[in-house]
Amino acid sequence: AQSVTQPDIHITVSEGASLELRCNYSYGATPYLFWYVQSPGQGLQLLLKYFSGDTLVQGIKGFEAEFKRSQSSFNLRKPSVHWSDAAEYFCAVGQAPGVVTGRRALTFGSGTRLQVQP
Amino acid sequence: DGGITQSPKYLFRKEGQNVTLSCEQNLNHDAMYWYRQDPGQGLRLIYYSQIVNDFQKGDIAEGYSVSREKKESFPLTVTSAQKNPTAFYLCASSMWGGARSGEQYFGPGTRLTVT
Repeated sequence: AQSVTQPDIHITVSEGASLELRCNYSYGATPYLFWYVQSPGQGLQLLLKYFSGDTLVQGIKGFEAEFKRSQSSFNLRKPSVHWSDAAEYFCAVGQAPGVVTGRRALTFGSGTRLQVQP
Repeated sequence: DGGITQSPKYLFRKEGQNVTLSCEQNLNHDAMYWYRQDPGQGLRLIYYSQIVNDFQKGDIAEGYSVSREKKESFPLTVTSAQKNPTAFYLCASSMWGGARSGEQYFGPGTRLTVT
């Protein structure tokens, strides 16, 4: 069965500091990995995704993530956090793009809430 | 602008009443999904549909029902059989095949409170 673990429930960083949010996955095939962000009371916005190619992927809002197959990880990073980055972040895993059989829905981690101190 | 709309944003119901949550998309996506979000639990899949007139149970389908009569619409009914219906409900859609399949886009959510 597939699963996603986000070991940090809550992280606090100072504005301008660097950020790394951890994500570990378990998946029986080549994973299709995502990071989403959610502001309070809102839907989820896609930050970035990875399936193949360069293992360091760039996303919106200055975020990047690195895929490490040997560690089953897909950690999210940002060099300098802004107060507007305070939100909840979700890592998710799903089937490879183009696959038309089986369950296409994503499996999500339980999320990491980011607080930014001035 | 293309996107997903969910209505209403807030919904209040008495225990024992069925309630239907609306989800509409104009992205021309084949697949649609319903997730439930509770604090500290991430998103859990209720139902999904890959084509019109077809849908599949997700991980927590008990006490819920759906229909998919049109490509654009995927309403969710929370029935009186759902033991703990108070939650934030999120609808999503995606392509089903092709290079961007699996990439899900979310609506703004509906917060349901049952008392």
